[in-house]
Amino acid sequence: DAGVTQSPTHLIKTRGQQVTLRCSPKSGHDTVSWYQQALGQGPQFIFQYYEEEERQRGNFPDRFSGHQFPNYSSELNVNALLLGDSALYLCASSSGDYYEQYFGPGTRLTVT
Amino acid sequence: GQNIDQPTEMTATEGAIVQINCTYQTSGFNGLFWYQQHAGEAPTFLSYNVLDGLEEKGRFSSFLSRSKGYSYLLLKELQMKDSASYLCAVKVPWGGATNKLIFGTGTLLAVQP
Repeated sequence: DAGVTQSPTHLIKTRGQQVTLRCSPKSGHDTVSWYQQALGQGPQFIFQYYEEEERQRGNFPDRFSGHQFPNYSSELNVNALLLGDSALYLCASSSGDYYEQYFGPGTRLTVT
Repeated sequence: GQNIDQPTEMTATEGAIVQINCTYQTSGFNGLFWYQQHAGEAPTFLSYNVLDGLEEKGRFSSFLSRSKGYSYLLLKELQMKDSASYLCAVKVPWGGATNKLIFGTGTLLAVQP
């Protein structure tokens, strides 16, 4: 049983560009949460998707958007990239409560 | 506001015991998690406390005092592989029946021979 998977592993983009990150949840999980983790910091909650809708949102600008597909996989889109968007982006899946939340390996985004 | 405090760094010796503290001030509380994160890797679940007291799981134990807004993670018989960042995260209510996790900045533990 594959756990949470994310793609790509690493990504380098230029300021102003747009990026799409992908996440496949653990089998049996229907809820996907996205986090941004800057170097030396804890993960910061971006948003959570459940039943193909954004259920919760953290303190991130509208440049950050997402989507969840019928198979529960999810995408995170970031428009108009800034240098400060450079971080590790983590996807976590769960079924209901956070107790069963599992993290993916993350996508390392570098904006130059 | 939401605030979670942990020491930034700690150093301990192989075979010893170390206690990593976490204090929190949050709008609501529905549980506290500890995660381990090795450099460049995803966080992995260590423990979950929702009631006061001590939860023991092998070499790892976690304690919670809700009245004091305080938790600690205790690691016994330290091994070199325990060198990692340890994240404290609080589950807080977020509208309706949903919750969200708020993470501390993490404590980087270095285990020395």
